[in-house]
Amino acid sequence: DAMVIQNPRYQVTQFGKPVTLSCSQTLNHNVMYWYQQKSSQAPKLLFHYYDKDFNNEADTPDNFQSRRPNTSFCFLDIRSPGLGDAAMYLCATRGTSGSTDTQYFGPGTRLTVL
Amino acid sequence: AQSVAQPEDQVNVAEGNPLTVKCTYSVSGNPYLFWYVQYPNRGLQFLLKYITGDNLVKGSYGFEAEFNKSQTSFHLKKPSALVSDSALYFCAVREDPYNFNKFYFGSGTKLNVKP
Repeated sequence: DAMVIQNPRYQVTQFGKPVTLSCSQTLNHNVMYWYQQKSSQAPKLLFHYYDKDFNNEADTPDNFQSRRPNTSFCFLDIRSPGLGDAAMYLCATRGTSGSTDTQYFGPGTRLTVL
Repeated sequence: AQSVAQPEDQVNVAEGNPLTVKCTYSVSGNPYLFWYVQYPNRGLQFLLKYITGDNLVKGSYGFEAEFNKSQTSFHLKKPSALVSDSALYFCAVREDPYNFNKFYFGSGTKLNVKP
């Protein structure tokens, strides 16, 4: 059963053309994260939501925005993608009751910028 | 500052042999430690975690990890490696109680298991 779903799995965009990546979850978790991962490197946290509270990492470029309209969905908007934004984007969730320590990751969206 | 280090970019082991993937951590509070595995073009999959209790933690797919507070280490182990274990492994730490929403990942270790 898919618990964290990311769409699309592969996204191709043009330099400077806005793109939106989506994440949905069936776990009803309070916390949702967006990570950027390049070339088998460590995932880099971009931002996270605790419910509707948005927490941006200090080094996340302004080019990256996020929306969380409800508990289940979270979006990553890249306003003007550059070649350096080509990466795998990972969404993850974490609950705040029960087993609260584990992140659950989606399969990722691989973004290509032409 | 919280951090984890994975000193080996790559580990090579023959199928059937024991494997160890190393991880050391640095936190100022109590560490919550995790191991994740990533297969090509996939998200990270949770393997196991240490929160408290026994220093030897057992996880998925026959993996286990040993928490060593004095050495600030949390090495991943498996008694007998399989070719299908070949993947990228990440160690992660979350500090309790501060920044409890944030996880810090190591740089990853590529495990190659040869037949």
